[in-house]
Amino acid sequence: SAVISQKPSRDICQRGTSLTIQCQVDSQVTMMFWYRQQPGQSLTLIATANQGSEATYESGFVIDKFPISRPNLTFSTLTVSNMSPEDSSIYLCSVEADTYEQYFGPGTRLTVT
Amino acid sequence: AQSVTQLDSQVPVFEEAPVELRCNYSSSVSVYLFWYVQYPNQGLQLLLKYLSGSTLVKGINGFEAEFNKSQTSFHLRKPSVHISDTAEYFCAVRGFKTIFGAGTRLFVKA
Repeated sequence: SAVISQKPSRDICQRGTSLTIQCQVDSQVTMMFWYRQQPGQSLTLIATANQGSEATYESGFVIDKFPISRPNLTFSTLTVSNMSPEDSSIYLCSVEADTYEQYFGPGTRLTVT
Repeated sequence: AQSVTQLDSQVPVFEEAPVELRCNYSSSVSVYLFWYVQYPNQGLQLLLKYLSGSTLVKGINGFEAEFNKSQTSFHLRKPSVHISDTAEYFCAVRGFKTIFGAGTRLFVKA
């Protein structure tokens, strides 16, 4: 298993600003994932982050809005840029084990006013 | 293409009653199947998984699920629920990538 921490756990931000969310894993992993979970809804994959290469974004998500860094095998950041109230959500990072299950961080609850 | 359908958005049940949360999937490739649970204000955690072998898999907290290839289903069951089982349950399918169902909110009443 893997233990994942995220910072911050929650934040309230003003429209037009940016927030960077950090994700730290207690072991080295190849792929890290970033999800968005809007209240009462399922998880939507934003992007997959591999160390040493550009992140792969899902349809509807773009690098300018959600830039991702992956400087090493235990750490990643997701920035939510030029925020609007529609970006209010829970942002989750996860990693995938060798047997394909995922381990999730506790999430970052973002409110944009 | 892959898809996951959780047939019930909410399931209310009385404590100590049995429960079944339904999940159907479609995929053009072989898949691995998972159930995750999300307790209020917490992250997701793995309940159980099916990779291969026996079609009945057991997970944590007394949950089990049965893989039915012909019906492309992976329903989650528990013979007797507790108040503490109140949570959101997500079915997930891993083919080319992992896709999550919309979730089923299990609400256990005293």
